[in-house]
Amino acid sequence: DVKVTQSSRYLVKRTGEKVFLECVQDMDHENMFWYRQDPGLGLRLIYFSYDVKMKEKGDIPEGYSVSREKKERFSLILESASTNQTSMYLCASSFVLRNEQFFGPGTRLTVL
Amino acid sequence: DQQVKQNSPSLSVQEGRISILNCDYTNSMFDYFLWYKKYPAEGPTFLISISSIKDKNEDGRFTVFLNKSAKHLSLHIVPSQPGDSAVYFCAARGNYGGSQGNLIFGKGTKLSVKP
Repeated sequence: DVKVTQSSRYLVKRTGEKVFLECVQDMDHENMFWYRQDPGLGLRLIYFSYDVKMKEKGDIPEGYSVSREKKERFSLILESASTNQTSMYLCASSFVLRNEQFFGPGTRLTVL
Repeated sequence: DQQVKQNSPSLSVQEGRISILNCDYTNSMFDYFLWYKKYPAEGPTFLISISSIKDKNEDGRFTVFLNKSAKHLSLHIVPSQPGDSAVYFCAARGNYGGSQGNLIFGKGTKLSVKP
């Protein structure tokens, strides 16, 4: 069964803290994605990766960075968390030649 | 500029009736369209898709219609059930230089099916 897991379901951090969000997939997918979902704004792509050690900016990369050291793991890093980064963060993965993306359960991040 | 638009933020339907969710797009280079369903506190799950070479795809109670000339697609749910209450996202995939094959999502429509 297809599985994308995210390290935390809920996270509360303080402004200025460094935050790591981890995502692991067990489907041997080449592609991995990080989105954030905000009310009225839908899903917006932050970063994506087509292969190990490769990364590409999405639509809203400012304030974020990513790391992909292993095929199954894709990390999102908030170098210095700010209140406007309070959001639902969703990780997804897919095969390179397939359209369907599989999503993790999401991490609800609150920055105080 | 929004390339995928879901103009209705919410929709309320009676159980047993038809739910019709609409999606418009602006880029004629999109070649594949998907619908995702999302419950609160869960990740989106894939529901149904359609290639641009087709105008209809059906899967059980769910049917997606594509009108390329109008750049419009719709998701029909018949009959609607209370468990269908969720946010539905329309997504499109570009197949052109610079698109990198990523999905572009609409803002979502919240469907409420009342018993």
